[in-house]
Amino acid sequence: SQQGEEDPQALSIQEGENATMNCSYKTSINNLQWYRQNSGRGLVHLILIRSNEREKHSGRLRVTLDTSKKSSSLLITASRAADTASYFCATDPQGGGADGLTFGKGTHLIIQP
Amino acid sequence: KAGVTQTPRYLIKTRGQQVTLSCSPISGHRSVSWYQQTPGQGLQFLFEYFSETQRNKGNFPGRFSGRQFSNSRSEMNVSTLELGDSALYLCASSLRAGTDYEQYFGPGTRLTVT
Repeated sequence: SQQGEEDPQALSIQEGENATMNCSYKTSINNLQWYRQNSGRGLVHLILIRSNEREKHSGRLRVTLDTSKKSSSLLITASRAADTASYFCATDPQGGGADGLTFGKGTHLIIQP
Repeated sequence: KAGVTQTPRYLIKTRGQQVTLSCSPISGHRSVSWYQQTPGQGLQFLFEYFSETQRNKGNFPGRFSGRQFSNSRSEMNVSTLELGDSALYLCASSLRAGTDYEQYFGPGTRLTVT
């Protein structure tokens, strides 16, 4: 079953603008991870944020986690055409990863040049 | 360091046949997980292997099976293929077992069942 739900499903912005994607989940988690997938290929790990962390940065990426609201956001600043991809959040449920990572259906991001 | 490799990259099979997919993890990684990705269901966990032992299994029928060898390479097998098994099959490797660590994904095997 899908634990994470990304919002919006699709997002189109101009190059140079910031892109924000949100993820909501249902059960308590150990960590939440964001992945990028280019055109039906393999997933690339972006950031892992643990349940006791509130914010994490990596280059142009900023991830926040609000465990009280069971939500996370991914901000990509100064977007580039190469950022065009699908972005997925994945949760590691508390109690162990008995079902592996649980992925949302993703946000499809298009960066217009 | 070489990434995760999956073979073959593309495969076309007929309903009722069986198929074996292969995954070679990053050198030194002992955990291999498999996921199925379809447009309708998204990414779904199949199973995880660590040190040649299946640790976890997702909610898939017994037609889906796998194994891991002593060199950490893993194979998954799907028997009696159905049209609904058409999907992108992704494997991911990790240093340690479980989902508390970064997963490195391969490019996937795209299986089409006709």
